[in-house]
Amino acid sequence: GQNIDQPTEMTATEGAIVQINCTYQTSGFNGLFWYQQHAGEAPTFLSYNVLDGLEEKGRFSSFLSRSKGYSYLLLKELQMKDSASYLCAGMDSNYQLIWGAGTKLIIKP
Amino acid sequence: NAGVTQTPKFRVLKTGQSMTLLCAQDMNHEYMYWYRQDPGMGLRLIHYSVGEGTTAKGEVPDGYNVSRLKKQNFLLGLESAAPSQTSVYFCASTGPPDRGHEQFFGPGTRLTVL
Repeated sequence: GQNIDQPTEMTATEGAIVQINCTYQTSGFNGLFWYQQHAGEAPTFLSYNVLDGLEEKGRFSSFLSRSKGYSYLLLKELQMKDSASYLCAGMDSNYQLIWGAGTKLIIKP
Repeated sequence: NAGVTQTPKFRVLKTGQSMTLLCAQDMNHEYMYWYRQDPGMGLRLIHYSVGEGTTAKGEVPDGYNVSRLKKQNFLLGLESAAPSQTSVYFCASTGPPDRGHEQFFGPGTRLTVL
């Protein structure tokens, strides 16, 4: 079967670093996505990894290990506006996204 | 560009009523999707379309129908609403896989079925 696992909730302090992990199992693999979703809003695209390694984009970085079926999203210099849910999604062989339930990130001052 | 828009934003239905949710995109995208999002669960694909005039079932298609008569519009219909269809519905669109994979989402429709 297809499955995406990520922690339900995490708490971090403003200015700190947090790593959100995701493990995936998909029928075929065409990449791993991270989306951000603020409460009551639509998901917005953060990153896409299809090759092993780290992709850096400003304060956000995403890592992929295809052999381990593992990805993480790294958020640096946390700001209060980073309080949101972070959704991990794997793209299967049919180019369909399989979504995790999301990790709610709470930032404390 | 408006991106992806959805109509309506909120709706309350009684069990057995019908309604149509409209999704429109102005990015000339081929692929369009309807998802539902429920608390504690990931987005689940209801139906999708890979081009004008084509539709296909996703993970949870029962109780829903769709149509893609025009490339820019994707309609989701509920023929006889049930309380289990209370959810937030998101429409998304993207270009073909060889032109990038980012899905662009509409603002969502919050549907309550009493």
